[in-house]
Amino acid sequence: QKEVEQNSGPLSVPEGAIASLNCTYSDRVSQSFFWYRQYSGKSPELIMSIYSNGDKEDGRFTAQLNKASQYVSLLIRDSQPSDSATYLCAVRGSNDYKLSFGAGTTVTVRA
Amino acid sequence: DAGVIQSPRHEVTEMGQEVTLRCKPISGHDYLFWYRQTMMRGLELLIYFNNNVPIDDSGMPEDRFSAKMPNASFSTLKIQPSEPRDSAVYFCASSPGLAGVETQYFGPGTRLLVL
Repeated sequence: QKEVEQNSGPLSVPEGAIASLNCTYSDRVSQSFFWYRQYSGKSPELIMSIYSNGDKEDGRFTAQLNKASQYVSLLIRDSQPSDSATYLCAVRGSNDYKLSFGAGTTVTVRA
Repeated sequence: DAGVIQSPRHEVTEMGQEVTLRCKPISGHDYLFWYRQTMMRGLELLIYFNNNVPIDDSGMPEDRFSAKMPNASFSTLKIQPSEPRDSAVYFCASSPGLAGVETQYFGPGTRLLVL
């Protein structure tokens, strides 16, 4: 069983719509959760981090964490063509600084 | 801030040759990570260092891979001998490692092609 799993893509949404990305993790005592965005041919860049249950909003991005369900999600509101990228969910383990990454979900925003 | 610096950006070599990838982390960051990314396997952690000391190398695929961090501002990942299946993008990332600020900052990557 993979440590971090993301909903399979690709995900295609029209401009202005909400893109919803999901991620589940297997280590029940994980503490830190991250969403990275990776444009084609570029390196991953951090867009959101979340540590407590609930929602965290940053501009058009909202991360949601439910530790009981071992579930973290990312919502992109008012999607723009510039949001077209692969989104990687990452989870930090309980005893070290390693990040486990999901396979990524590729999002395409149609103009 | 210059960010994480990696060199070379691209490397093409022939099977059996030695390959050395280099990384300069962000100044003041205590943690350094080496990753490999392929279409098939995604982003995999190879090894990470804390204060120049290797902490976990369980992701290093085999003895052909080795990594060193002789000082706080420089690390190398060496593959000897290289094989075609080593073709991938290799990322170096650094992190301040402070609780709550442990996000990782990635370098631009080295695209390795082994023929």
